[in-house]
Amino acid sequence: KQEVTQIPAALSVPEGENLVLNCSFTDSAIYNLQWFRQDPGKGLTSLLLIQSSQREQTSGRLNASLDKSSGRSTLYIAASQPGDSATYLCAVTDSNYQLIWGAGTKLIIKP
Amino acid sequence: DARVTQTPRHKVTEMGQEVTMRCQPILGHNTVFWYRQTMMQGLELLAYFRNRAPLDDSGMPKDRFSAEMPDATLATLKIQPSEPRDSAVYFCASGLTRDGRGHTDTQYFGPGTRLTVL
Repeated sequence: KQEVTQIPAALSVPEGENLVLNCSFTDSAIYNLQWFRQDPGKGLTSLLLIQSSQREQTSGRLNASLDKSSGRSTLYIAASQPGDSATYLCAVTDSNYQLIWGAGTKLIIKP
Repeated sequence: DARVTQTPRHKVTEMGQEVTMRCQPILGHNTVFWYRQTMMQGLELLAYFRNRAPLDDSGMPKDRFSAEMPDATLATLKIQPSEPRDSAVYFCASGLTRDGRGHTDTQYFGPGTRLTVL
């Protein structure tokens, strides 16, 4: 059974710092991995989608990597801003085409 | 700017009442998902549809929950009778499934319906 774990559960850093969020999954048989952002009281926004054949994806200050063999993905945020404060969720599409979610990392960027 | 819309955004009801949540997927998307989010369980998949046909509702309590797609522009999730443990945020998401193996790419989420059952 696929399980997705995100570490840390919460992170607080000063504005301007670069940071890394981690996601690990137990079964390497995935179709893709996605990173989402959730703001309080709002829905989820898809940030980056990495297909199983890809190693990384970039969007602006965000870079996500995927290492299927080790069951890991990282989300790198460069030059963090207070507006980046949110909960970041990682999810994999497993071999049954189901989206399996991590519990999320709550990120706080201090001005 | 295409978006998934959900109504109502908030719903407070008493135990035993029927609750209906509605979702309008993005035009052209052929796959619709219903999720439930609670602090304890995180995000759980309740059901999903492809081309309006239900493909998987194993995550849904069958005795009280039902999900339908009357047409391509409307998905509904109904709880009857509602219970306090149903209190959660319910998200609808839509996406496009391109290949015959059922693999959906990016899912676009609606803002959610916050349900409180007293």
